[in-house]
Amino acid sequence: GAGVSQTPSNKVTEKGKYVELRCDPISGHTALYWYRQSLGQGPEFLIYFQGTGAADDSGLPNDRFFAVRPEGSVSTLKIQRTERGDSAVYLCASSLKGGAHETQYFGPGTRLLVL
Amino acid sequence: AQRVTQPEKLLSVFKGAPVELKCNYSYSGSPELFWYVQYSRQRLQLLLRHISRESIKGFTADLNKGETSFHLKKPFAQEEDSAMYYCALLNQAGTALIFGKGTTLSVSS
Repeated sequence: GAGVSQTPSNKVTEKGKYVELRCDPISGHTALYWYRQSLGQGPEFLIYFQGTGAADDSGLPNDRFFAVRPEGSVSTLKIQRTERGDSAVYLCASSLKGGAHETQYFGPGTRLLVL
Repeated sequence: AQRVTQPEKLLSVFKGAPVELKCNYSYSGSPELFWYVQYSRQRLQLLLRHISRESIKGFTADLNKGETSFHLKKPFAQEEDSAMYYCALLNQAGTALIFGKGTTLSVSS
């Protein structure tokens, strides 16, 4: 079946602009995760959804970052007033129910460049 | 603190040589550990997890609680093993993976 998909694959924006990044999880997966990967680093956790609700948003760096998953499937990560330091690859992952003993399946990522 | 350390940024070996990719962790309690791999131009994918005690593509990893390590090993490297390898730890809340910085494995003939 289809894996996790993310759009766009690349996004170039200017400092101060607003961006939205989209994630389509594997069908039937209730758990969805967002990670951010900066150059030379491993992925860093941002937020975890269980169904429609954000069960853990402790990784969001500040209030410019926000994510939604209104119908429990597609999720959108929203970044306001982008800064050059937000440039990174944003990864989405999903798993069947979430929690221990589950495999997280990753999407290809969205490469964000803030000029 | 929950942390994963991969001390080597790059590991270069010849085809047929043994490989050991190091991973150390910091965690209170019983950790759940994973190795993820990213081949060139492909997405991040699970290689193996310690709880399964399985061998995937000839790779194994043993959890050593005394040394707080979860090193990835393969007795005979192949060129197709060249990739970026990430060690990861499930956080105590069970809500997120904590990744190391990754090690690039380069296998040449």
